[in-house]
Amino acid sequence: LQLQESGPGLVRPSATLALTCTVSGDSIEGGPYYWGWIRQSPQRGLEWIGSTYYTERAYYNPSLKSRVSISVDTSKNHFSLKLTSVTAADTAVYYCARLGLTYASSIYVWGHGTTVTVS
Amino acid sequence: QSALSQPASVSGSPGQSITISCTGSSNDIGTYNYVSWYQQFPGKAPKLIIADVSDRPSGVSHRFSGSKSGNTASLTISGLQADDEADYYCSSYVSTNSCVFGPGTKVTVL
Repeated sequence: LQLQESGPGLVRPSATLALTCTVSGDSIEGGPYYWGWIRQSPQRGLEWIGSTYYTERAYYNPSLKSRVSISVDTSKNHFSLKLTSVTAADTAVYYCARLGLTYASSIYVWGHGTTVTVS
Repeated sequence: QSALSQPASVSGSPGQSITISCTGSSNDIGTYNYVSWYQQFPGKAPKLIIADVSDRPSGVSHRFSGSKSGNTASLTISGLQADDEADYYCSSYVSTNSCVFGPGTKVTVL
């Protein structure tokens, strides 16, 4: 199983950050795993953004809930993150991941991460 | 800000055992058995080494073990080796239907 993040490395303040995670070696459709996003910055450390199952609503970190959405496209076997109204505080390495059998379970497989700078 | 606390650093000599604590509250560690531990090397993604308080995923060394008592979870590394030198993070399910990470502990092998 491999996960690969893709998207712009530079985002303007107040714009929307959009990333995609392409999954290879497993199929999102059919379950049983959850898929999610985590970010890491020197200022905020590791931060759980949210996760989703291909047939369920997503679950989000309450501190980001008003700005974030996670969606799944089973036809392309990928899932996506959108974060609106970004500020410098959203600058971080963003990881996509495969979780376990619940929305906040352990993170079993991590992508390599992609650096996003808000400036 | 993290709802979990960890020591900033822990050190030990090769062959020794060290324990890293992760203290939370009744809103997370104290109520739920969804505590995980991750190992991270510089410039790399974290790696899961303990799931659900004490379960080792396939391929993880038996030198890593996890436990929990009350609001505190612990990670023990026995037979410390030079390549255990890394950052270690705990995480827990929290009552707000999300997950929180600790600030991380830097392990140094003397």
